[in-house]
Amino acid sequence: EEQLVQSGAEVKEPGESLQISCKTSGYTFTDYWIAWVRQMPGRGLEWMGIIYPGDSDTRYSPSFQGQVTISVDKSITTAYLQWSSLESSDTAIYYCARHRGSVIITGSTRYFDLWGRGTLVTVSS
Amino acid sequence: EIVLTQSPGTLSLSPGERATLSCRASQSVSSTYLAWYQQKPGQAPRLLIYGASGRATGIPDRFSGSGSGADFTLTISTLEPEDFAVYYCQLFDSSVSFGGGTKVEMK
Repeated sequence: EEQLVQSGAEVKEPGESLQISCKTSGYTFTDYWIAWVRQMPGRGLEWMGIIYPGDSDTRYSPSFQGQVTISVDKSITTAYLQWSSLESSDTAIYYCARHRGSVIITGSTRYFDLWGRGTLVTVSS
Repeated sequence: EIVLTQSPGTLSLSPGERATLSCRASQSVSSTYLAWYQQKPGQAPRLLIYGASGRATGIPDRFSGSGSGADFTLTISTLEPEDFAVYYCQLFDSSVSFGGGTKVEMK
């Protein structure tokens, strides 16, 4: 079964660092891009960035460039989202999602077909 | 960055009724890059439609997508109780954009 299993909820203080994970299984990890999506409390979906596990090619939303780091560990088919210094405004649910279709070649369909259940990150002093 | 505007913000309907949700892009886009998702409270988004009109695996045929250029529509032909949720359109052109969502609530 194809799955994205995300790490558990986190409670952190402002200024702390954090890494959350997205463990994939049931498919070839290096064949599909993985994205991260933020959902602040009571709000909509925001795309943060996307990574291709095959070569770690990473694209960030301008809104999140420099604020987070997306990475992968191919040996354990896991993607990561990392903060070096959290702020209270980072309080949100973070989803990882598998992307279908080419990000580089035009003309193919593009969509997120498989989602993790989300990781709730709470940042509060 | 292309902006997606969804309307209405909230749609109040009864089971059995037809729902028509709109997604308008700030410029003309390729329909192959347009998708729709459903999100229920406490759950992750679920893919409904890709390529503007293709139904994802396991999605009932009461869900249909249409449109081209800058205007796209998600139609739920006959609302079932489990269809009351928030719906998002999404585009992946040079970057990824999500619409603000339409909440379909029970009247």
